Amino acid sequence: DGGITQSPKYLFRKEGQNVTLSCEQNLNHDAMYWYRQDPGQGLRLIYYSQIVNDFQKGDIAEGYSVSREKKESFPLTVTSAQKNPTAFYLCASSMPGQGLHEQYFGPGTRLTVT
Amino acid sequence: AQSVTQLGSHVSVSEGALVLLRCNYSSSVPPYLFWYVQYPNQGLQLLLKYTTGATLVKGINGFEAEFKKSETSFHLTKPSAHMSDAAEYFCAVKAQGGSEKLVFGKGTKLTVNP
Repeated sequence: DGGITQSPKYLFRKEGQNVTLSCEQNLNHDAMYWYRQDPGQGLRLIYYSQIVNDFQKGDIAEGYSVSREKKESFPLTVTSAQKNPTAFYLCASSMPGQGLHEQYFGPGTRLTVT
Repeated sequence: AQSVTQLGSHVSVSEGALVLLRCNYSSSVPPYLFWYVQYPNQGLQLLLKYTTGATLVKGINGFEAEFKKSETSFHLTKPSAHMSDAAEYFCAVKAQGGSEKLVFGKGTKLTVNP
């Protein structure tokens, strides 16, 4: 079954700790994305990557970092510099090179920082 | 730049009644438009999309939407609501030929009353 996997489903961390969220896809998609979702605010783009070894900042990149060393994987690190990291994080992928601009989403990771 | 406005953060309908969720967009170039559905603590699922061609688009679960360029709208409808339609719905826009970034509205939570 093709799809996007995010792990873990729930993650708890103490303030001041960096934490890495996993995102893996087996759809052979070129582009991958990270969004943050807060109640009543919709989805906000953190980072995106259109090809391996390249990525761009989205609208709220401060306090986050990413890497794209493999086509299938796009991990997101939430650093201690992120002022309010508690949120629901969603990973997505798409295949724009084939004229398919819709994004497919993973199940999400809910991060709680106390 | 693109933007999306979803009128009504909460919509309540009776089972069997018409569902109408409103989406207006702003785009300086022809848009691609999408509707997604999200159930609690899950990722987003694509309901339908408009790229080019027919302006009335049919999606999954009996939903459809009509692209009206003159009104810059892409409202989502379903003739008869079912209890399983209770969820949050997001409208999104992407500029044709532009970057692959999707811009999302803030979402509309649909409640279906028995």
